[in-house]
Amino acid sequence: GNSVTQMEGPVTLSEEAFLTINCTYTATGYPSLFWYVQYPGEGLQLLLKATKADDKGSNKGFEATYRKETTSFHLEKGSVQVSDSAVYFCALSATGANNLFFGTGTRLTVIP
Amino acid sequence: DSGVTQTPKHLITATGQRVTLRCSPRSGDLSVYWYQQSLDQGLQFLIQYYNGEERAKGNILERFSAQQFPDLHSELNLSSLELGDSALYFCASSVEDRAYGYTFGSGTRLTVV
Repeated sequence: GNSVTQMEGPVTLSEEAFLTINCTYTATGYPSLFWYVQYPGEGLQLLLKATKADDKGSNKGFEATYRKETTSFHLEKGSVQVSDSAVYFCALSATGANNLFFGTGTRLTVIP
Repeated sequence: DSGVTQTPKHLITATGQRVTLRCSPRSGDLSVYWYQQSLDQGLQFLIQYYNGEERAKGNILERFSAQQFPDLHSELNLSSLELGDSALYFCASSVEDRAYGYTFGSGTRLTVV
């Protein structure tokens, strides 16, 4: 089946620290992979995406590389800011599926 | 503003009651997806409509139903409500009939007391 396993949270970092949030997936076919971010009181926003192996998605200083050999799509940012505090969701869109499969979310808190 | 409008933002109701949640998709989007977000279950896909037709069903209870109208807005009906139905309900929309680059609304928080 299709599933996403995401790093357990919460994660607390100091400003300017390096961020990694791990995400691995199980899927049939060739899925597309996504990271969504949810700020307090808001809906989910698409942060970045990758549609095929070795693609790198990037946005707002965040990056993730689609690794087919390790079935992973880890989210990284070199220097986090307080404004990055949010919940981050890894998701996949499987071949032939109409919906996204989400991980459980990782809450990030960045302290000044 | 994502362009996907959900109303109401908050809803408090008693067990056994019925409620209707409304979603207006982003202009030009034909697909509407409903998700339930609860603390213990995470984000669960409920149902998808594309241009008025049901296209996919996920973990939607029989007490729940949805439809998409000719103007493309969608409604999610929840009946015989139980305490466990308390959750955030999100609507998302996309242009295509597949899950690629959704745009989410800000959600309806349902509290069943």
